Amino acid sequence: GQSLEQPSEVTAVEGAIVQINCTYQTSGFYGLSWYQQHDGGAPTFLSYNGLDGLEETGRFSSFLSRSDSYGYLLLQELQMKDSASYFCAVTGPLDTGRRALTFGSGTRLQVQP
Amino acid sequence: DAMVIQNPRYQVTQFGKPVTLSCSQTLNHNVMYWYQQKSSQAPKLLFHYYDKDFNNEADTPDNFQSRRPNTSFCFLDIRSPGLGDAAMYLCATRGGVSDTQYFGPGTRLTVL
Repeated sequence: GQSLEQPSEVTAVEGAIVQINCTYQTSGFYGLSWYQQHDGGAPTFLSYNGLDGLEETGRFSSFLSRSDSYGYLLLQELQMKDSASYFCAVTGPLDTGRRALTFGSGTRLQVQP
Repeated sequence: DAMVIQNPRYQVTQFGKPVTLSCSQTLNHNVMYWYQQKSSQAPKLLFHYYDKDFNNEADTPDNFQSRRPNTSFCFLDIRSPGLGDAAMYLCATRGGVSDTQYFGPGTRLTVL
């Protein structure tokens, strides 16, 4: 099976940089994804790492180290609208087309003025 | 715009009264997923379809069933809802070789 650990809450101020870490244990690994979810909303895709290294998408970056079973999401120039829950998720085994997501428990980010 | 649509957005049902939630997609993705998300928890996969092939997660209660009559539509049937089934139900799709899943807005189910 799969399990993921991430901090439950992070608080930061507008304009700052915050890093949300994720460690995982899986029986089969394909990639690490990050999703953002505002209260009452649906998860929306932010970033994906299939290979080691850094992926950058605007203010958001994500990093993966497969040897360490570790990744992080980096949010720069924080804005109030970034207050949300952030989930890391691993893609399941490579059986036919499944590639289901197993989510971590989520990190609630609160951005303060 | 291509999207994933869920209806209704809010559903209230009585204890034990069957309920059906619907999901449609215009993305033409071959994989569709149903997740259950309870308050302050992560989404939990219930089942998924790869084309017409149905795949049930081992711990999905027998109370939950699904139908996919065609590529665009997928239904979640809860035969006898209990109080513990109150949650947000999320539909998602995936296409091609990408791992990215596209979520609908969800249906929030209340069981009285």
